[in-house]
Amino acid sequence: AQSVTQLGSHVSVSEGALVLLRCNYSSSVPPYLFWYVQYPNQGLQLLLKYTTGATLVKGINGFEAEFKKSETSFHLTKPSAHMSDAAEYFCAVNLPGAGSYQLTFGKGTKLSVIP
Amino acid sequence: GAGVSQSPSNKVTEKGKDVELRCDPISGHTALYWYRQSLGQGLEFLIYFQGNSAPDKSGLPSDRFSAERTGGSVSTLTIQRTQQEDSAVYLCASSLAWDQPQHFGDGTRLSIL
Repeated sequence: AQSVTQLGSHVSVSEGALVLLRCNYSSSVPPYLFWYVQYPNQGLQLLLKYTTGATLVKGINGFEAEFKKSETSFHLTKPSAHMSDAAEYFCAVNLPGAGSYQLTFGKGTKLSVIP
Repeated sequence: GAGVSQSPSNKVTEKGKDVELRCDPISGHTALYWYRQSLGQGLEFLIYFQGNSAPDKSGLPSDRFSAERTGGSVSTLTIQRTQQEDSAVYLCASSLAWDQPQHFGDGTRLSIL
């Protein structure tokens, strides 16, 4: 079984500062990894995903994440926070292979951006 | 093209009533998923459809919950004899295939009085 841990249920950064949202996973095999963003009263929007290949993945809105197998991590970063980045962010994992279609989500990290 | 559409966006009902939640996936997406999002439990998988079949119903919390999908398109999640603990946001997602990224609708916020 796989699991996801997001460190920090709430993160606050100043506008223009670095955004770092942490995600660690537990999996019996190399997983597929995802970051989703959720704005108030909306569904989840895919920011980026890692399946295979290059471990540094670039997504939408200037976000990127790096898969580090040795650390079982997939932290999300953005060099300069914008007010519009304020939202809740979810890290998710599923396992490649037949039947492994369930996404397992972390508890989420709510990002606040201070002007 | 249109994204995943869910209706209603909000539903308030009395304890004990039955409710139906609807999901229209993205056209051409063969895989469809239901998740539940609640304060205490976070995001939980409920059920997965491939076409009209549901090979994985493992996340349905009780036999009061059921879902169907017709024509390989629209899906309905039905909750019978609703309880207060059923209050949550029910999210639907679809994908081109089971191993492709899932695209989510805006959810139905269900409140049980």
